[in-house]
Amino acid sequence: KNQVEQSPQSLIILEGKNCTLQCNYTVSPFSNLRWYKQDTGRGPVSLTIMTFSENTKSNGRYTATLDADTKQSSLHITASQLSDSASYICVVSAGTGGFKTIFGAGTRLFVKA
Amino acid sequence: GAGVSQSPSNKVTEKGKDVELRCDPISGHTALYWYRQRLGQGLEFLIYFQGNSAPDKSGLPSDRFSAERTGESVSTLTIQRTQQEDSAVYLCASSLAVAGGTGELFFGEGSRLTVL
Repeated sequence: KNQVEQSPQSLIILEGKNCTLQCNYTVSPFSNLRWYKQDTGRGPVSLTIMTFSENTKSNGRYTATLDADTKQSSLHITASQLSDSASYICVVSAGTGGFKTIFGAGTRLFVKA
Repeated sequence: GAGVSQSPSNKVTEKGKDVELRCDPISGHTALYWYRQRLGQGLEFLIYFQGNSAPDKSGLPSDRFSAERTGESVSTLTIQRTQQEDSAVYLCASSLAVAGGTGELFFGEGSRLTVL
């Protein structure tokens, strides 16, 4: 069964600190993995995309990693800001065209001053 | 339009009434998805349209839920005889789904449904 599991469910950190969110998946055939950010009351927005051959990709203060062997991904946020408070959703696409998408339940991040 | 547009943004209805939610995808996007998100929960897949192919309805929770899409444009999600458990935000997303594509989903802001 195709599944995406994220941890932790929620996380509270102080502004300026770093944090790492985890995503484990059992999706086959793997096409790509995306991290989305969902602000409260808004639709999710893509942060990064990882394909099978990529190990690390950065987007500003966000760095995503992918280990295709262990089927794990992480999202590292550096020097957190209050605006980073949101849900971070790991989404894995399956199939040759990546059309079937499986969503994780998300990690709710709270950044406090 | 520039992004995915959903309407209404908010809908309050009485139990037992029917509701229609509308989604205008990004022009040229062949794939369209509907998701449900209950308060504090993750996204729950409902239905997927891809071009002229038969839609993937595997996520629809009951026969009270149905969706249509006209070609590669507007989609409507209909919930008949609404129940309080239907209260949620209904999110629509579209993507440029081509072979070997990255499949990025572009989401609308959602329609918040409250069933009293």
